[in-house]
Amino acid sequence: AQKITQTQPGMFVQEKEAVTLDCTYDTSDPSYGLFWYKQPSSGEMIFLIYQGSYDQQNATEGRYSLNFQKARKSANLVISASQLGDSAMYFCAMRERSNDYKLSFGAGTTVTVRA
Amino acid sequence: GAGVSQSPSNKVTEKGKDVELRCDPISGHTALYWYRQSLGQGLEFLIYFQGNSAPDKSGLPSDRFSAERTGGSVSTLTIQRTQQEDSAVYLCASSSEAGIGYGYTFGSGTRLTVV
Repeated sequence: AQKITQTQPGMFVQEKEAVTLDCTYDTSDPSYGLFWYKQPSSGEMIFLIYQGSYDQQNATEGRYSLNFQKARKSANLVISASQLGDSAMYFCAMRERSNDYKLSFGAGTTVTVRA
Repeated sequence: GAGVSQSPSNKVTEKGKDVELRCDPISGHTALYWYRQSLGQGLEFLIYFQGNSAPDKSGLPSDRFSAERTGGSVSTLTIQRTQQEDSAVYLCASSSEAGIGYGYTFGSGTRLTVV
């Protein structure tokens, strides 16, 4: 079964607007971590933000915030004030205590920012 | 080193030949991971090292794939008798610990093309 589901294969967003990337996950482990990575056309994977399953507050890192809804097993990434440089593939990933060395990745969402 | 270094960055090989892909992790990172990313797809886990040992080789697609790590540092992924379906980007990542909250630092990948 898929552990991480990203249902939006591609999205367009206007420069300076906000965009929300969906991510749902599947685990029975009470202890897990959720990650978002950005992969620009250059191919490198860039870590953006982390949310632990026991964290009470939603994680934020600059223009990135994670909308964590634990009961719904949802970990959506919000990018505020989009910039042209945000055009990239975005991956949601999860690490579980029961499997704590392996990041399981979703299929990714391609974001294209329009001027 | 400052980051995770992978070489070569690009490799074109003929079907049936053997190839070696190299990963030099961040100094002091004990955990090292290999992933494979086919065109436009998500990341597929291949193998994980903790120190020099590989607790989990379950992601290796076939017995043509092998990997080793020496001195708790450099790792080599070897693909024997390459096939066209082996064409992909091979990503290496390292982490200071294999725990839930520890993110990976990825290298820029090796793009393998089997012709």
